[in-house]
Amino acid sequence: GAVVSQHPSWVICKSGTSVKIECRSLDFQATTMFWYRQFPKQSLMLMATSNEGSKATYEQGVEKDKFLINHASLTLSTLTVTSAHPEDSSFYICSASGSGGQPQHFGDGTRLSIL
Amino acid sequence: AQKITQTQPGMFVQEKEAVTLDCTYDTSDQSYGLFWYKQPSSGEMIFLIYQGSYDEQNATEGRYSLNFQKARKSANLVISASQLGDSAMYFCAMRELYARNYQLIWGAGTKLIIKP
Repeated sequence: GAVVSQHPSWVICKSGTSVKIECRSLDFQATTMFWYRQFPKQSLMLMATSNEGSKATYEQGVEKDKFLINHASLTLSTLTVTSAHPEDSSFYICSASGSGGQPQHFGDGTRLSIL
Repeated sequence: AQKITQTQPGMFVQEKEAVTLDCTYDTSDQSYGLFWYKQPSSGEMIFLIYQGSYDEQNATEGRYSLNFQKARKSANLVISASQLGDSAMYFCAMRELYARNYQLIWGAGTKLIIKP
């Protein structure tokens, strides 16, 4: 149980394009979803938290207009990197948890490379 | 101040030996949870084990156990009989009772390499 699917797993695109990453909880209702960014050989950096049906809560220093998060249902959240540039290249990983502070379960991550 | 400290950036361990990965934490909350996750080179984060601050017994999950010493604020992960497949990054994380949205606070990680 507690499977989270993240898609795509790898994206290479040109500078200036927008990229959408999906995060789905397959067998449970994800009350809260988290989006992280991870630089090489570093720990996870929380970008934003989203609760179903509410606006996402962004961490300090994360541009809301750059990283659009939508959590329209209890099983799906999306992260859109708008007008991506090479400095946005990174590993992005989502996690989901059920109600009452259950453990976070992670997707497999998305490697984003902007040329 | 660091809330989660993993003092070992990297470790080499011989296959079949036991290994202890250190984690110390800092919180003023009485109620909190401690987690360990494994991240192989492929990138996915795998939940290993959880310890609640009020749990009297140390958590165990198969070859993983958590050596919880509350007074010392340490939550070390012990892997018994290590295997080549255990080579990965290991992250310790904490969730405080009043954390917004039950957010996790992450340590810097320990890179574990198992030698054949």
